[in-house]
Amino acid sequence: GAVVSQHPSWVICKSGTSVKIECRSLDFQATTMFWYRQFPKQSLMLMATSNEGSKATYEQGVEKDKFLINHASLTLSTLTVTSAHPEDSSFYICSARAPGSSSYEQYFGPGTRLTVT
Amino acid sequence: SQKIEQNSEALNIQEGKTATLTCNYTNYSPAYLQWYRQDPGRGPVFLLLIRENEKEKRKERLKVTFDTTLKQSLFHITASQPADSATYLCALDPGGGDKIIFGKGTRLHILP
Repeated sequence: GAVVSQHPSWVICKSGTSVKIECRSLDFQATTMFWYRQFPKQSLMLMATSNEGSKATYEQGVEKDKFLINHASLTLSTLTVTSAHPEDSSFYICSARAPGSSSYEQYFGPGTRLTVT
Repeated sequence: SQKIEQNSEALNIQEGKTATLTCNYTNYSPAYLQWYRQDPGRGPVFLLLIRENEKEKRKERLKVTFDTTLKQSLFHITASQPADSATYLCALDPGGGDKIIFGKGTRLHILP
């Protein structure tokens, strides 16, 4: 149980285009999903917290107009990187939390490798 | 400033020995601390959680200690195997109970 999937697992896009990454909880409902970004040999950096049916909460320094998050259902959150640039190339990982659970009960997806050329 | 530091970027251990990884934190008072394993190109996988009132937690060949006075957690893998080679991340709740933050990780190489 507690499986989280991401799609696509990798994507290459041209500079200036937008790309959407999906995060799904497969066997549980997730009221809260988290989006992280990880650069090579660096830690996972929390970008935003997404609650179903409400606006995402972004961490300091993360541009909300560039990284659009939509959490339209209890099993799906999407991250759209708008007007992508090479510096946005990174490994994007989502996690999901079930209703009523503590912050530590997060289940992580396998990640999406974004390369912007 | 608030920091989570893991002792070394990389650690080489001979197969069969015990690997010990360190996580130190500054200016946090976490109610718990977690350890994750991350393989290249994959998301992190939860291993163990230890609460502030627990000194030690074990799971098979894994052992975690938590010293809130030293603000340190140690993660041990006994009888290490090449399959244990991965990056190990520590994580904690910075307060508020709504998110966790991660250290940079330690890349562990178990040498056959």
